[in-house]
This record gives sequence, C-alpha cells and structure tokens, in this order.
Amino acid sequence: QLQLQESGSGLVKPSQTLSLTCAVSGDSISSGSYSWNWIRQPPGMGLEWIGYIFPSGSTYYNPSLTSRVAISLDRSKNQFSLKLNSVTAADTAVYYCARARVKYGDYVAFDSWGQGTLVTVS
Amino acid sequence: QSALTQPASVSGSPGQSITISCTGTSSDIGDYNYVSWYQQHPGKAPRLMIDDVTNRPSGVSNRFSGSKSGNTASLTISGLQAEDEAAYYCSSYSSSSTLILFGGGTKVTVL
Repeated sequence: QLQLQESGSGLVKPSQTLSLTCAVSGDSISSGSYSWNWIRQPPGMGLEWIGYIFPSGSTYYNPSLTSRVAISLDRSKNQFSLKLNSVTAADTAVYYCARARVKYGDYVAFDSWGQGTLVTVS
Repeated sequence: QSALTQPASVSGSPGQSITISCTGTSSDIGDYNYVSWYQQHPGKAPRLMIDDVTNRPSGVSNRFSGSKSGNTASLTISGLQAEDEAAYYCSSYSSSSTLILFGGGTKVTVL
C-alpha cells in the first residue's frame, strides 16, 4: 500500500527558505503514469496546487509561485522535496505531498496523499 | 478567488440526497473529462472520492456519484449519513498555465 510522509521544518523565518521532503513507500517514484506533487492549504482555507515532478525529473509549477519554488527527486531514497524561498506569512499553511495519476501526461486525480505538515512563517 | 466555483455550504438531513456543483470554463471542466472530487474531514488529508468525472475508486461508497454538463461538474451524495459531514473539493485539469485547479470547497452539514 502506497504511503507518503512529509517531513521538514515546521517554523521558518520570513525571507528564508522553506524545505520539505516527502518519503514514499509502497511504490517507486520512478513508476510511470504518475507525477509527484506538492499542495498546500492555509489555515481555514482551500487547497492550492504548488507543482509537480515527473519520474523523468521534468517539473511544472503553479505560475503564482514559479519564481520561488523548486521540486526535486532523490531516486536513491525514493523521496521528493520542495523548496520555497523568500517566504512570508502568506506561505503559512499545511503542506501535503501527493501522487497524481496522469494520462498522456495530463493530470487526472490525486490518488494518494500524505498526512500533511504545518509550516508556520514567523 | 478559486478558479473553480463551488457553493460555500450545502446541508441535508440524514437519508436525503444533496448535490454540490463545481463551475469552471471551456478551458477546464468544459473540455476535459479529468474532474475529481475530494472529501476532507477536519484535521485530515483530502481523500479521493471521484475521478474521471464519474469513476468511484475502490473503497468509496456507491452513495457518491459524479456527473458533468457543459462547464459544470456535480457531486451527488445519496442517503446522507453523519459521517459524510466534511468539506468537499472539486479539481480539474486545465489547458491554462495553472494546469491543475481546485474549487474553493463546500462544507456539507448533516442536520
């Protein structure tokens, strides 16, 4: 059974870099037909997609964040990571990692999610 | 403001049916059958309930069903139960630069 687990700093100072890692078990991140994603949810608000990385290493980011975000893969550890720089209080949120099923390279649905981790910028 | 529009809240009595709408554009819901729905209980991660507009993943109750007409997708919960009280989010692939869109979420209350 696929499991995803986020880890990283829960408290980041303004203007610094937020760093999170998602450890994947039960499947290889090199599997085809999936992308590996980061999604966030500010307290009391809705979901915002941050970006994804394919097993090939190609990435795509939400245009609203693209200048500050980077997602990378570590195949040896079966995990992927998020870095968001120049953070402000507006970046305070629960951050989720998730696997997305894709068809012909297009997003279909997020079929597995991590439990989420709260990151506070203060 | 979210890219997909959902009502903020919907309520119903146990046993009733409710429907949540999700309105997009011809660049997303109207042109692609990649609409999905997620259930989120407080303090928990979202759970996939419907994908490909109408498909129920394994383990999801058949009380949940999805549909689409034009630029609007819908999630129907029949035989409403107390455990269905949660927030529900729609999502769609988009040909816009954002690629993956979410609705603002709908809070379902079981009266």
